[in-house]
Amino acid sequence: KAGVTQTPRYLIKTRGQQVTLSCSPISGHRSVSWYQQTPGQGLQFLFEYFSETQRNKGNFPGRFSGRQFSNSRSEMNVSTLELGDSALYLCASSPVSSGNSYNEQFFGPGTRLTVL
Amino acid sequence: AQSVTQLGSHVSVSEGALVLLRCNYSSSVPPYLFWYVQYPNQGLQLLLKYTSAATLVKGINGFEAEFKKSETSFHLTKPSAHMSDAAEYFCAVNRGRDDKIIFGKGTRLHILP
Repeated sequence: KAGVTQTPRYLIKTRGQQVTLSCSPISGHRSVSWYQQTPGQGLQFLFEYFSETQRNKGNFPGRFSGRQFSNSRSEMNVSTLELGDSALYLCASSPVSSGNSYNEQFFGPGTRLTVL
Repeated sequence: AQSVTQLGSHVSVSEGALVLLRCNYSSSVPPYLFWYVQYPNQGLQLLLKYTSAATLVKGINGFEAEFKKSETSFHLTKPSAHMSDAAEYFCAVNRGRDDKIIFGKGTRLHILP
């Protein structure tokens, strides 16, 4: 099976612009989560989508939004970019869980966003 | 609320020496615990996971971790470090099912020749 893919891998934007990042999960996975990784804050959870519905949300401002399509692909959008949004954005997908099984996640390589 | 604390943002060991990366957690319910590894310019890869079965968990690349409820710890060990183990390691916790995963801040492992 192909792994989680993220596009683009690298992106340079300027303050005030907006950006859209894309994530294609592993085939058959219906859950997609997004994380922001920075040297200072580590890995921070942004949100999770399952079957096109946002299921969990982290503590990020409304400038960060996402969506999931019927084929489970997900996009994340950041509007009005700030310098502090420079980070590695990671996407992770999970298989459908059942019963009390844990939510193991499979990560993509990330999109490196630089805001100038 | 649940949280994860990784002791030491950087750890250096000599090649062939024991690797010990520390992780302590807090959780209001019995947790699921994970160790992930991240190599430069890559995403995270699952090393091992604890899901309330055996307390000693074996993972990939010779790593293992022991769940100690009394100490609320889930330390990662490897008997003999290899140069290829140089990477950043993340401990994570969640309560299962629909709960989100909480990651520690990571420990960067350096291997000295």
